[in-house]
Amino acid sequence: AQKITQTQPGMFVQEKEAVTLDCTYDTSDPSYGLFWYKQPSSGEMIFLIYQGSYDQQNATEGRYSLNFQKARKSANLVISASQLGDSAMYFCAMRGQNYGGSQGNLIFGKGTKLSVKP
Amino acid sequence: DVKVTQSSRYLVKRTGEKVFLECVQDMDHENMFWYRQDPGLGLRLIYFSYDVKMKEKGDIPEGYSVSREKKERFSLILESASTNQTSMYLCASSRSGAFGYEQYFGPGTRLTVT
Repeated sequence: AQKITQTQPGMFVQEKEAVTLDCTYDTSDPSYGLFWYKQPSSGEMIFLIYQGSYDQQNATEGRYSLNFQKARKSANLVISASQLGDSAMYFCAMRGQNYGGSQGNLIFGKGTKLSVKP
Repeated sequence: DVKVTQSSRYLVKRTGEKVFLECVQDMDHENMFWYRQDPGLGLRLIYFSYDVKMKEKGDIPEGYSVSREKKERFSLILESASTNQTSMYLCASSRSGAFGYEQYFGPGTRLTVT
């Protein structure tokens, strides 16, 4: 069965420091995609970054990077130089051949609440 | 700029009422989704649609139905609202065909059933 695990319910980070949010996944699909979303207190889910299972390099988008370790089935999000506006819930999600596929369904983790301290 | 809109940000309904939540996307996406989000449970898929008039049950379809008569519009219906349906409801859309297509979300509707 497909599963996403985020073991950190909440985290604190000092402004301007880097922070890593953990995500592990379980799937038997040979091909899959991994996503990270941010949800500020306003409620809207914002797409941050994507990693394909066959991508040779770790994905990066501005201050966001994905530390993808396929053998360990982990896809941790790294935020560099944290800003106050980074305070939000962060969700890891996955789509595989047998769950989602071309129909686009995602499985979400339960999220990590990040608080950035000034 | 891509856009998914939901008909209401906040909604208060009484037990037993029929409730309609509307979602519209302007990106010509094939796929549309309804999730509910509860503290500690993350996002759970209620229903999704991969084409007009097509629908599939998600993980928690009980007590809900959906309608997709036009490609851009996907409605979630609570036939007889109950207090355990008090939640945040999120609509999303995406292209179909590959693993890498992200979902775009609307702002959410916070529904309270009293």
